Amino acid sequence: GAGVSQSPSNKVTEKGKDVELRCDPISGHTALYWYRQSLGQGLEFLIYFQGNSAPDKSGLPSDRFSAERTGGSVSTLTIQRTQQEDSAVYLCASTQDRGFSETQYFGPGTRLLVL
Amino acid sequence: AQSVTQLGSHVSVSEGALVLLRCNYSSSVPPYLFWYVQYPNQGLQLLLKYTSAATLVKGINGFEAEFKKSETSFHLTKPSAHMSDAAEYFCAVSDAGGTSYGKLTFGQGTILTVHP
Repeated sequence: GAGVSQSPSNKVTEKGKDVELRCDPISGHTALYWYRQSLGQGLEFLIYFQGNSAPDKSGLPSDRFSAERTGGSVSTLTIQRTQQEDSAVYLCASTQDRGFSETQYFGPGTRLLVL
Repeated sequence: AQSVTQLGSHVSVSEGALVLLRCNYSSSVPPYLFWYVQYPNQGLQLLLKYTSAATLVKGINGFEAEFKKSETSFHLTKPSAHMSDAAEYFCAVSDAGGTSYGKLTFGQGTILTVHP
């Protein structure tokens, strides 16, 4: 079946603009994660969604970052008033169920460049 | 809180040689440990995971890893490197006991180069 998909694959924006990144998880997967991969910080957890529970936003770096997951499926990560330090690859992952040992299936990522 | 340290940001081996990528973890609870591989411009793909069932874990593409509690290590090995193994490898620990089930904390990654 289809894997996790993300769009756009690349995004170039100007400092101060807002951007939206989209993630389509594997059909039927209940949990969804966003991570950020940058040269300086490596791979960092951003946010976690599980079913209808309140998301864990503990990894979001500032209040300019927000995310939602509609209908328990597609998720959108929004960055407002982008800064150059937001340049990174944003990865989405999903798991079939909730659990500490569940395999996370990653999408190809969105490469964001803030000029 | 969990943490992961990967020793060596770059490892270079000859084709056919042993591959050894080092990972040490810190966890206050019994850990769940993962190795992921990332090829250029792609997402992460699971190689193998430790979930306490067996200390020696076999994964895809001939890789295996051994969980050693006394050494807090989970090193990744492959007996004979292939050119196609060139990639970046990440060790990760799951957020056991937290509220984000399965949130991963990653090491800094190790870039594996394979020479002909």
